[in-house]
Amino acid sequence: EAQVTQNPRYLITVTGKKLTVTCSQNMNHEYMSWYRQDPGLGLRQIYYSMNVEVTDKGDVPEGYKVSRKEKRNFPLILESPSPNQTSLYFCASSLSGANTGELFFGEGSRLTVL
Amino acid sequence: LAKTTQPISMDSYEGQEVNITCSHNNIATNDYITWYQQFPSQGPRFIIQGYKTKVTNEVASLFIPADRKSSTLSLPRVSLSDTAVYYCLASGAGSYQLTFGKGTKLSVIP
Repeated sequence: EAQVTQNPRYLITVTGKKLTVTCSQNMNHEYMSWYRQDPGLGLRQIYYSMNVEVTDKGDVPEGYKVSRKEKRNFPLILESPSPNQTSLYFCASSLSGANTGELFFGEGSRLTVL
Repeated sequence: LAKTTQPISMDSYEGQEVNITCSHNNIATNDYITWYQQFPSQGPRFIIQGYKTKVTNEVASLFIPADRKSSTLSLPRVSLSDTAVYYCLASGAGSYQLTFGKGTKLSVIP
């Protein structure tokens, strides 16, 4: 089954404790991206990756890091989480960019930073 | 990057046709319009995509006028299960940095 898998789905952590949210896709997609979703603000892109070892900033990259060492994986790293990073996070992938058809989204990771 | 504007919310009764309009005044020549549906606690999922005129699939229709400055997602005979947030996205060839709108929350009333 074609899917994008995120882990963990739920996480409560404390300020400053490094964490990683993993994202994996099984569709051999070149493009992957991360979003955060906050009430009233819709989906905002954090980072994206056009292919292995190629990443770039989205609209809200501050406080986040990413890496793309393998085609299927695109982890989101919060080196020193802060309460304003409490949010619902989504990973998505597509064949190439967003106009070649659909973006496939994961089920989301709800992060709470205390 | 084309910015999109949608109504924040809409209400509809079951069985009615619902039209959600998205404004994208600065759309680029090679931009496509894509709509996504999101249920609570789930990731968005693709509904339909088009470039101009009309596109129809088993779920919805998408109308894009000649000037392409707006588009309308049409959901025929909605049911309670269509209650969701709908996002419009304008993106072109090689679009990697994506800016979604804030979405339209559709509430279907029995």
